[in-house]
Amino acid sequence: QLQLQESGPGLVKPSETLSLTCTVSGGSISSSSYYWGWIRQPPGKGLEWIGSMHYSGSTYHYNPSLKSRVAISVDTSKNQFSLRLTSVTAADTAVYYCARRRIDYSSSWYEDCWGQGILVTVSS
Amino acid sequence: QSVLTQPPSVSGAPGQRVTISCSGSSSNIGAGYDVHWYQQLPGTAPKLLIYGNTNRPSGVPDRFSGSKSGTSASLAISGLQAEDEADYFCQSCDSSLSALFGTGTKVTVL
Repeated sequence: QLQLQESGPGLVKPSETLSLTCTVSGGSISSSSYYWGWIRQPPGKGLEWIGSMHYSGSTYHYNPSLKSRVAISVDTSKNQFSLRLTSVTAADTAVYYCARRRIDYSSSWYEDCWGQGILVTVSS
Repeated sequence: QSVLTQPPSVSGAPGQRVTISCSGSSSNIGAGYDVHWYQQLPGTAPKLLIYGNTNRPSGVPDRFSGSKSGTSASLAISGLQAEDEADYFCQSCDSSLSALFGTGTKVTVL
C-alpha cells in the first residue's frame, strides 16, 4: 500500500525559503504513469495546487501564480521528492500536502494518493 | 483564486439525496478535461472520491456518483449518512495541465 509522508520545518521566517520533503513508501517513485506533486490549504480555506513533476525530471507543471517562486525536485535514489518555495510571506502559511498525480489519458489528471499534510507557519 | 465554482454549503437529512455543482468554463471542463472529486473529512487529508467524471475508486460506496455536462459537473450523494459530513472539492485542469480545484462545498447532515 502506497504511503506518502511530508517532513520539514513547521516554522519559516518571512522572506526565507520553505523546504519540504515527501518520502514515498510501499511503491516506487520511478513509474512512468505518475507525477509527484504538492497541494496546499491555508487554515480554514480551500485547496491550492502548487505543481507536479515526473520522476525523470523531464516534465513538470507549476501553478502560474506561484511559478516564479516554486521548484519541485525528485530523488529516485531515496524515493523522495521535494518542494522549495522562495520569498515566503504570511500568505504562504498553510497545510502542505504531497501527492501522487495519476495520468489516465491526456485529459485526465488527478491526485490519487495523498500524504497526511504538514502545517507550515510563516512568522518571525 | 479558483476558476471552478461550487456552492459554499449544502445540507440534507439522513437518507436524502444532495447534489453539489462545479461550474467551470470552455478553458477547463468545457475543453474536455475530466472532473474529479475529493472528500475531506474534518482534520484529515483529502481523499479521491470520483475520478474521470464518473468512476469510483475501490472502497468508495456507490451512494456517491458523478456526472459532467458541458462546462459543469455534479457530485450526487444518495442515502445521505452522518459520516458523509465533510468538505467536497471538484478538480479539473486547463491546457497548461495545471490542476484547478473548486472553491469547496461543506456538506452538513441535519
